[in-house]
Amino acid sequence: EIVMTQSPATLSVSPGERATLSCRASLSVSSNLAWYQQKPGQIPRLLIYDASTRATDIPARFSGSGSGTEFTLTITSLQSEDFAVYYCQQYNNWPETFGQGTKVEIK
Amino acid sequence: QVRLEQSGAEVKKPGASVTVSCKTSGYTFTSYGVSWVRQAPGQGLEWMGWISPYSGDTSYAQNFQGRVSMTTDTSTATVYMELRSLRSDDTAVYYCTRVLGDLSLAIGFWGQGTLVTVSS
Repeated sequence: EIVMTQSPATLSVSPGERATLSCRASLSVSSNLAWYQQKPGQIPRLLIYDASTRATDIPARFSGSGSGTEFTLTITSLQSEDFAVYYCQQYNNWPETFGQGTKVEIK
Repeated sequence: QVRLEQSGAEVKKPGASVTVSCKTSGYTFTSYGVSWVRQAPGQGLEWMGWISPYSGDTSYAQNFQGRVSMTTDTSTATVYMELRSLRSDDTAVYYCTRVLGDLSLAIGFWGQGTLVTVSS
């Protein structure tokens, strides 16, 4: 099983600042990586797929990069609605696996 | 539009079984597999397995081997997930999901979730 490790566990950021979230895979997952955003009481929402492609209706302030084992989600100029938990997921191999999440909170 | 509509919340005793249904619409049922993902209270996301409505093929995560079964009913475009020998740590919200589509195998669609509570 491929282990996905996200860092940091919690990120405190002020509105308008930049947030950088990391995700590391224990084995290469090529570019088969997605990022999801989840707010309390809501279902996860797909932000980025194939490591760097924004999903439909996702604002341009969200961007993804990386391949192989190292990935990054960058949120430029954080808005109030961006404070949430973010998960990475690899779908290169079964079982598909998720990172444990990074909580982005208001500083 | 693609919709995944799940059955309602369940309360079960330890050792019992639960079946959660996921009725799909808005696309050709046999064209895409359906995966199940669960989330325990305050915890992260855990992939449980996948079923192909086209062939009936399944793939289950090791953690659930022997306890989970996924089936489909093509006539109603519905997927079922049965989890047996329930334990208290199976208390979670269970989601059925579908991939984005031809673009990617990322999860593009989620059911609304079904809370399964296991308690004596």
